[in-house]
Amino acid sequence: LAKTTQPISMDSYEGQEVNITCSHNNIATNDYITWYQQFPSQGPRFIIQGYKTKVTNEVASLFIPADRKSSTLSLPRVSLSDTAVYYCLVVGNNNDMRFGAGTRLTVKP
Amino acid sequence: KAGVTQTPRYLIKTRGQQVTLSCSPISGHRSVSWYQQTPGQGLQFLFEYFSETQRNKGNFPGRFSGRQFSNSRSEMNVSTLELGDSALYLCASSPEGAGGLSSYNEQFFGPGTRLTVL
Repeated sequence: LAKTTQPISMDSYEGQEVNITCSHNNIATNDYITWYQQFPSQGPRFIIQGYKTKVTNEVASLFIPADRKSSTLSLPRVSLSDTAVYYCLVVGNNNDMRFGAGTRLTVKP
Repeated sequence: KAGVTQTPRYLIKTRGQQVTLSCSPISGHRSVSWYQQTPGQGLQFLFEYFSETQRNKGNFPGRFSGRQFSNSRSEMNVSTLELGDSALYLCASSPEGAGGLSSYNEQFFGPGTRLTVL
């Protein structure tokens, strides 16, 4: 199973765009890249998933280069409520998910 | 649609006891996974059940076990509790099983059960 590496923490200010990069050098052909968000005392919540190139939904964009060895989660115009831990995972089609330490994003006013 | 529910939400036990936690997945979801979350180790995968069968298992000792019923509800059991078992135990369900060429199935997490072992 591919291991992921992401920054431990990041700070930002309200209204800024935040980009969190994740490295997954050993990603397998069948793996998808998935991001989750977790608030304190809550279970993680799915944000976005992609296989290659770019994926965009109502809350985020996910950029994946051709070699798929990394990915970048982009959060446009963050607000205080986006303060959370963000997890990057690479998951095959067997639902076996291994979370890393995640990135603790702090959005300041 | 109701979300994933877990009971109880909070539990206090003493060392050596055993505990059973319950998870009701979203209606129609067949896969249920369990995770342990602690400040030191983060979120760790315990096991996943699909159609009453354990399909995946993480690196936890045999004291941690689980099962799934025909209605997809799941229970996990921890025997001979240790202080280090104090954690938030999360359950997640997803719509379909693995296999085939379908993309990864989003997992929906419950609020968790906070277990404290004294």
